[in-house]
Amino acid sequence: QVQLQQWGAGLLKPSETLSLTCAIYGGSFIDYYWSWIRQSPGKGLDWIGQINHSGSTNYNPSLKSRVIIAVDSSKNQFSLKLTSVTAADTAIYYCATLDKRHYYFDFWGQGTLVTVSS
Amino acid sequence: QSALTQPPSASGSPGQSVTISCTGSYTDVGAYNSVSWYQQHPGKAPKLMIFEVTKRPSGVPDRFSGSRSGNTASLTVSGLQADDEADYYCSSYAGSNNFALVFGGGTKLTVL
Repeated sequence: QVQLQQWGAGLLKPSETLSLTCAIYGGSFIDYYWSWIRQSPGKGLDWIGQINHSGSTNYNPSLKSRVIIAVDSSKNQFSLKLTSVTAADTAIYYCATLDKRHYYFDFWGQGTLVTVSS
Repeated sequence: QSALTQPPSASGSPGQSVTISCTGSYTDVGAYNSVSWYQQHPGKAPKLMIFEVTKRPSGVPDRFSGSRSGNTASLTVSGLQADDEADYYCSSYAGSNNFALVFGGGTKLTVL
């Protein structure tokens, strides 16, 4: 059973860089893609992107120019950076495992609310 | 890629059945066996309820079932219980040329 524990800064100013980390417990890096998803207040879910154990990434085209997802296998962690944030990036950010064959998110972190405000 | 279309709300009385639809296209829902459904209670992370169109993870009651017809997937909740009241989201792989995943806008299920 995989457990994910995430953390990061919850309040940012416009133009700053969002930075979140997700620690993996009980799972192997090879078994999944490691993903980030966000949910704007009162809205639905949006796929941000994911990374595999070797560092290969896929990103949502709408965010691709501002997103970096990285993995640190020595620490069993992966991370999300989103540059040049605006108020539109205010959301709850979730890390999650993504099944490598049929692309479903089976284990989720607890979520981190990130607010962008001047 | 475009978001999948779900009705904003659905409702039913305890013991009844409710079906939530998720409409996509031949490039996502209709193309791949990669449709999944998630339940989200207020203030909680989403929970996987259905994967690969029809399969249930261990621990999910068999009152929850998934199906697909053409470009529309459906989640049926039978024998409604109070705790089923939640938001439900569908998701599908949509990567014909490049890897892509899309979600539906979500359906608020109310147990009357």
